[in-house]
Amino acid sequence: DIQMTQSPSSLSASIGDRVTITCRASQGISNHLAWFQQKPGKAPKSLIYAASNLESGVPSKFSGSRSGTDFSLTISSLQPEDFATYYCQQYDNYPHTFGGGTKVEIK
Amino acid sequence: QLRLQESGPGLVKPSETLSLTCTVSGGSISSTTYYWGWIRQSPGKGLEWIGSLDYSGSTYYNPSLKSPVTISVDTSKNQFSLRLTSVTAADTAVYYCATTVKAWTGYPYLDYWGQGTLVTVSS
Repeated sequence: DIQMTQSPSSLSASIGDRVTITCRASQGISNHLAWFQQKPGKAPKSLIYAASNLESGVPSKFSGSRSGTDFSLTISSLQPEDFATYYCQQYDNYPHTFGGGTKVEIK
Repeated sequence: QLRLQESGPGLVKPSETLSLTCTVSGGSISSTTYYWGWIRQSPGKGLEWIGSLDYSGSTYYNPSLKSPVTISVDTSKNQFSLRLTSVTAADTAVYYCATTVKAWTGYPYLDYWGQGTLVTVSS
């Protein structure tokens, strides 16, 4: 199975901060990576697919990038509605696997 | 707009079978989507991909699940289903059904999720 190592596992940030979350794949997955946002008690919501493509309706403050097997999700200016847990997922090989999650909290 | 709704027992006894159904509304499952699957989340934990099924009937399951898994689709009912047999307490989780509305690329993923349903395995 492909391991997705996500970091940090949690972070504290202030409103307006620029935040970056990273995910490293244990082997090459091309750009077959998605990012999800999950708020407490809710289903995860897809934000980005194919490493850098924004899902329809997702604000442009979210962006994704890839460098080899390293992937990043950046929130350009953190807003109150962005405090949530974020997960990466590879869909290059079966079984599809998720990172461990990053909880973004208010400082 | 597509809507997915999970249904099934909220409580299952150990060693029995967990069966869940996902009903798709807002469009025909056979003409709007081509890929269906299930993900679960144990209480306070991360996400675990269970498996998926594509339009050709090919199934893909996570071998790390100790309970045998079957995913099937019933296009006449606009539903797809999950079965886990011989469940244990470790199968207690919120179960999400999901699909995709994206065009086929050869690398589908589950981007459109239901709200989830909690299943507890306990005697």
